Amino acid sequence: ELKVEQNPLFLSMQEGKNYTIYCNYSTTSDRLYWYRQDPGKSLESLFVLLSNGAVKQEGRLMASLDTKARLSTLHITAAVHDLSATYFCAVDSGSRLTFGEGTQLTVNP
Amino acid sequence: DVKVTQSSRYLVKRTGEKVFLECVQDMDHENMFWYRQDPGLGLRLIYFSYDVKMKEKGDIPEGYSVSREKKERFSLILESASTNQTSMYLCASLSDPYEQYFGPGTRLTVT
Repeated sequence: ELKVEQNPLFLSMQEGKNYTIYCNYSTTSDRLYWYRQDPGKSLESLFVLLSNGAVKQEGRLMASLDTKARLSTLHITAAVHDLSATYFCAVDSGSRLTFGEGTQLTVNP
Repeated sequence: DVKVTQSSRYLVKRTGEKVFLECVQDMDHENMFWYRQDPGLGLRLIYFSYDVKMKEKGDIPEGYSVSREKKERFSLILESASTNQTSMYLCASLSDPYEQYFGPGTRLTVT
């Protein structure tokens, strides 16, 4: 059974700081997804990582995938308040996704 | 842009009622999914469908059924709603290559 673990689950950081969210998974997969969810809203796709070594960047967020280590990271650079949300990673296991528990990020002024 | 719509944003039902949650996508995707989301438990897959009239159980199918009569529509049915089915329900459809698009969600309360 595929297990996906994120850490930390809760993250409070100051504006302007950098931080990394980690996503570990238990079985082989070449596809990993990052989503953002604002309170009371649905999930918004951030990144789709399709191969080992994939790196994608959008604004202050950068995601990477190491399939050998079964690890993805979501790096936040110079955080701003607008990034406050819950971030989920999800791993593809044959056209279905298994989600991590989510990381609730709060960026304080 | 891909659009996935759900029939209701908020729904309140009584215990024992039969509940239908509808999901429609406009991009001719073959794969569609129903999840529920609960605090501390993340998203859990209830059912998914690869094609019209095809369905597969996810991780927590008990108490639910689904219907896919047309490609664009995937319905989740609670045969006899119970209070432990109070949750946020999210529908998604899958594009090629492999990106899931989510609907806005239905927050269901069963009293």
